[in-house]
Amino acid sequence: ETGVTQSPTHLIKTRGQQVTLRCSSQSGHNTVSWYQQALGQGPQFIFQYYREEENGRGNFPPRFSGLQFPNYSSELNVNALELDDSALYLCASSARDTQETQYFGPGTRLLVL
Amino acid sequence: QKEVEQNSGPLSVPEGAIASLNCTYSDRGSQSFFWYRQYSGKSPELIMFIYSNGDKEDGRFTAQLNKASQYVSLLIRDSQPSDSATYLCAGPGSGGSNYKLTFGKGTLLTVNP
Repeated sequence: ETGVTQSPTHLIKTRGQQVTLRCSSQSGHNTVSWYQQALGQGPQFIFQYYREEENGRGNFPPRFSGLQFPNYSSELNVNALELDDSALYLCASSARDTQETQYFGPGTRLLVL
Repeated sequence: QKEVEQNSGPLSVPEGAIASLNCTYSDRGSQSFFWYRQYSGKSPELIMFIYSNGDKEDGRFTAQLNKASQYVSLLIRDSQPSDSATYLCAGPGSGGSNYKLTFGKGTLLTVNP
């Protein structure tokens, strides 16, 4: 167990809806990164939050947005859900001063119908 | 675009054998690499990270980094059925920062009793 928690564990939505996923970072970690993992693929970087600001973004459209709170927890919001958004969403926490090794939470499995 | 490529496998070895997993990368400036293990339906779990050219050993696991040839490998000695999982290789993103990990697609390893 890494100490990174995510909620909910599973979610079913319909196309066009909006979803919010939550992540609590490991104690002592101040950075949260979000990844999307489609079936049979490696995780793809969505974005990272550090000091409550977005600190880099992968190749994802603006309908993917996020927040980080003062306690370092984070949210991932996805608007106008598409069928291809069905995936495992992973949150990883890290500390900026330890080579930024990232530790993953259990993930949220999202199914868009 | 930085890429990390792995043989997707599957790789099958008998119990007690050495499993060899390989990964190549495109960015010659990459400084550090990570190996994650992912059991079916679970999130990635960090096994090893390596920053320097050469070998790094941790128990039954040895990571090897060859910067001249741009490849990273993971050897698992005395393979056990519990090692059966998908192994993900990840390298750093822009500017060598670890904040954006780029993952390979993973190699599925099966260890047969």
